[in-house]
Amino acid sequence: LAKTTQPISMDSYEGQEVNITCSHNNIATNDYITWYQQFPSQGPRFIIQGYKTKVTNEVASLFIPADRKSSTLSLPRVSLSDTAVYYCLVARNRDDKIIFGKGTRLHILP
Amino acid sequence: EPEVTQTPSHQVTQMGQEVILRCVPISNHLYFYWYRQILGQKVEFLVSFYNNEISEKSEIFDDQFSVERPDGSNFTLKIRSTKLEDSAMYFCASLFSGPSGKTYNEQFFGPGTRLTVL
Repeated sequence: LAKTTQPISMDSYEGQEVNITCSHNNIATNDYITWYQQFPSQGPRFIIQGYKTKVTNEVASLFIPADRKSSTLSLPRVSLSDTAVYYCLVARNRDDKIIFGKGTRLHILP
Repeated sequence: EPEVTQTPSHQVTQMGQEVILRCVPISNHLYFYWYRQILGQKVEFLVSFYNNEISEKSEIFDDQFSVERPDGSNFTLKIRSTKLEDSAMYFCASLFSGPSGKTYNEQFFGPGTRLTVL
């Protein structure tokens, strides 16, 4: 499993766009990039996944450059309820166990 | 929307006692997992289960732990002779991964069981 590196914490304000970048320099050809979100005292929740270029859903966008050695999760117009830990991970097989890192603790301020 | 459920939400036990944590995965899912999260620390993989057998387990998952899918719906984690350091949130997760599954690694997590060992 490819190792990922992301900032330990970030602060932002309500209404702002937040971008969290993750590096995965040794990503393999068959690896997918996945992001999870975890609120306090809750289980992690899948947010978005991509292989290359850009993916967008109702929650976030995921930008992946051509070399795929990094990815950026973009949260548009955040609110206080977006305060959570965000985990970046890569997976080769659909049923891979998830190896969580420490994630990025995002704190949204009023 | 289907969801993974876990019971109980909070379990308090004495050191040395046995506990069983219960999970009901999403009904058409094929892969099942247990993770734990000690307070303030990261989520750790314990075990994965497929086709009625363990497919992978971590170093944490020693002889003290066992998993079972006793019927078509429940998935349980048993901890024999609990220790103080077993106090944590335990999360169950499930994954479809069937022929029409297009998303990699989209595991659905339950709300967790908070285990407190005294």
